[in-house]
Amino acid sequence: ELKVEQNPLFLSMQEGKNYTIYCNYSTTSDRLYWYRQDPGKSLESLFVLLSNGAVKQEGRLMASLDTKARLSTLHITAAVHDLSATYFCAVAPPFLIIQGAQKLVFGQGTRLTINP
Amino acid sequence: DGGITQSPKYLFRKEGQNVTLSCEQNLNHDAMYWYRQDPGQGLRLIYYSQIVNDFQKGDIAEGYSVSREKKESFPLTVTSAQKNPTAFYLCASKGGGPTYEQYFGPGTRLTVT
Repeated sequence: ELKVEQNPLFLSMQEGKNYTIYCNYSTTSDRLYWYRQDPGKSLESLFVLLSNGAVKQEGRLMASLDTKARLSTLHITAAVHDLSATYFCAVAPPFLIIQGAQKLVFGQGTRLTINP
Repeated sequence: DGGITQSPKYLFRKEGQNVTLSCEQNLNHDAMYWYRQDPGQGLRLIYYSQIVNDFQKGDIAEGYSVSREKKESFPLTVTSAQKNPTAFYLCASKGGGPTYEQYFGPGTRLTVT
C-alpha cells in the first residue's frame, strides 16, 4: 500500500523566517503535486513535479523532487502572513495510473501558521 | 469561464436520508473524481471515472454511489448506508497533457444529524 507522509503536520513560524516541509512516499513515483488549501476552501494547485531533480519556484515557495530518495520538499523563504494555509503533497505512482485515470494519494497535510 | 462547479455549498440532512451532491465541469476533461476530507485530514478517494458510463471504486466507496451519464457531470449520492457521512466533499477533474494535473471544485460541506 502506498503511503505518503508529510512532516511536520503543524508549523508555526515568524514572518521573515525560512522553513521546509517534507513529503516522503513509500513507492516509486515520478509525479508529485503540491496543493494549498485555505480554511474551508478547495485545493489550489501550486506545483507539478514530473521528474527526478525537478525544481519549481513561485514567489517565496520552491518545490523540489528527489525520486531516488522518494522525497519532495516545499521550501518557504522569508515567510509572510499570506502564506498561512494547509499544504498537501500528492503522489501518482505508475501502477495507479490505470488507463489514464491516474489516482492520487495525498499526504495528511501541513498546517502552516505565520505570525507577524 | 472554464472550471468545476459543485452544489450546494452547504447541505444539511437528517440521518437515514440519501443525498446527492452535484459536480459539473466545462473543461472538457475525461476523468473525474470524488474525494472526502475530514477535519484535519488529507483527501481520500471515493470514486473516479475516466469516461462516460464507466466508473471505479476508490479507497472508501462503501455507502456511496455515482453515475456518469454525461462527460460534464459526475454526481455523488451519499446513501443512508454511509455510517459517518458528515465531511467536506471535493470533486476534481483531470485533462490530458504531460502534467495529468487534477483540478478541484469548491467543495460541498455535508452535515448529517
